[in-house]
Amino acid sequence: KAGVTQTPRYLIKTRGQQVTLSCSPISGHRSVSWYQQTPGQGLQFLFEYFSETQRNKGNFPGRFSGRQFSNSRSEMNVSTLELGDSALYLCASSAGTVGEAFFGQGTRLTVV
Amino acid sequence: GQQLNQSPQSMFIQEGEDVSMNCTSSSIFNTWLWYKQDPGEGPVLLIALYKAGELTSNGRLTAQFGITRKDSFLNISASIPSDVGIYFCAGRILGSSNTGKLIFGQGTTLQVKP
Repeated sequence: KAGVTQTPRYLIKTRGQQVTLSCSPISGHRSVSWYQQTPGQGLQFLFEYFSETQRNKGNFPGRFSGRQFSNSRSEMNVSTLELGDSALYLCASSAGTVGEAFFGQGTRLTVV
Repeated sequence: GQQLNQSPQSMFIQEGEDVSMNCTSSSIFNTWLWYKQDPGEGPVLLIALYKAGELTSNGRLTAQFGITRKDSFLNISASIPSDVGIYFCAGRILGSSNTGKLIFGQGTTLQVKP
């Protein structure tokens, strides 16, 4: 059974640009959540999608958005990039609301 | 805010020693998850706990869901060099407003001396 796949693995963007990250969850999993990991703040929850609906959102500015498709794949978008957006972005896949959450390898975003 | 206090922050031990780390919170959790993360990689799930008092093992790893539902600990017995990494606790807080959200501890960095 394939795990959680995130693409791309690495990205370098310039301030002011926008970026889209992709996550394919484990087959059969309907919940996808996104996290930002930085040395200073640790792992912070961005948002969670279940059956194409955003069910929960963390304390991030509106520049951070996401969506989920009917096949459960999810994308997150960050607009007007800032230097502070440099981080490892992780996506987690779960079968439902509770239970185990399995992470992808992450996308390392560097904003210059 | 919702926080998890994880300790210790780091440990440097001799190969063969046992390791213990824990997480505490002021909130009640309905799920505890323990992860290990290697540099540049995503966290890998080690153990999942769902009931107060639950004690679960995975090889040399043992974790428990605290009776008060506000804490959890992870033990690693007879450590080996490949145990090196950062260990995170994570939990789901009870309540509909916390749907799908994991709260993470700050991590425990483990170094093992051969």
